[in-house]
Amino acid sequence: GENVEQHPSTLSVQEGDSAVIKCTYSDSASNYFPWYKQELGKRPQLIIDIRSNVGEKKDQRIAVTLNKTAKHFSLHITETQPEDSAVYFCASPGGGGFKTIFGAGTRLFVKA
Amino acid sequence: KAGVTQTPRYLIKTRGQQVTLSCSPISGHRSVSWYQQTPGQGLQFLFEYFSETQRNKGNFPGRFSGRQFSNSRSEMNVSTLELGDSALYLCASSLLADEQYFGPGTRLTVT
Repeated sequence: GENVEQHPSTLSVQEGDSAVIKCTYSDSASNYFPWYKQELGKRPQLIIDIRSNVGEKKDQRIAVTLNKTAKHFSLHITETQPEDSAVYFCASPGGGGFKTIFGAGTRLFVKA
Repeated sequence: KAGVTQTPRYLIKTRGQQVTLSCSPISGHRSVSWYQQTPGQGLQFLFEYFSETQRNKGNFPGRFSGRQFSNSRSEMNVSTLELGDSALYLCASSLLADEQYFGPGTRLTVT
């Protein structure tokens, strides 16, 4: 069945360093790849997404890259700040559509 | 635009009871998805509705059901509650079943 694997489960970086989170998906028909950020006690919020017709998308300090051949996509955060500390989830459509499969999440700690 | 709202925000129920949770999507959004979030299992897809039709369903027992009304508001129902149903239940609305906007969630505790 469809599956989204996310690594690492925990990531600790020093303020100012970069952080990279990777996800692998199984459904080759997937064409939309969002990333959500969930701060403690809050709802998940979409921070960036990419569609299958592009390989990279940037928005200030965050970027997402997509490799459709290898079926993986990554979130890159540069110049990390303490407020980037949160759980990050990748996601991908599955089940023929109208269904979103989430990765297990990555807990990012940014140390000041 | 007002965001996604969910009621109630907190709920305590006893095993064997049933519960109904409500979700009001962003105005104009016709797709509503429901998720169960637990510390051990992450975000698990329950079902998705569009224009009152369930288009997809996750791997949950039949005790979990939902519906959507003509104004796009959605409800989910869990019957015969079990301790393992304790979780945060999130709904999300979207325009085209892609970018999802989450509600604050309903925290359900089953005792």
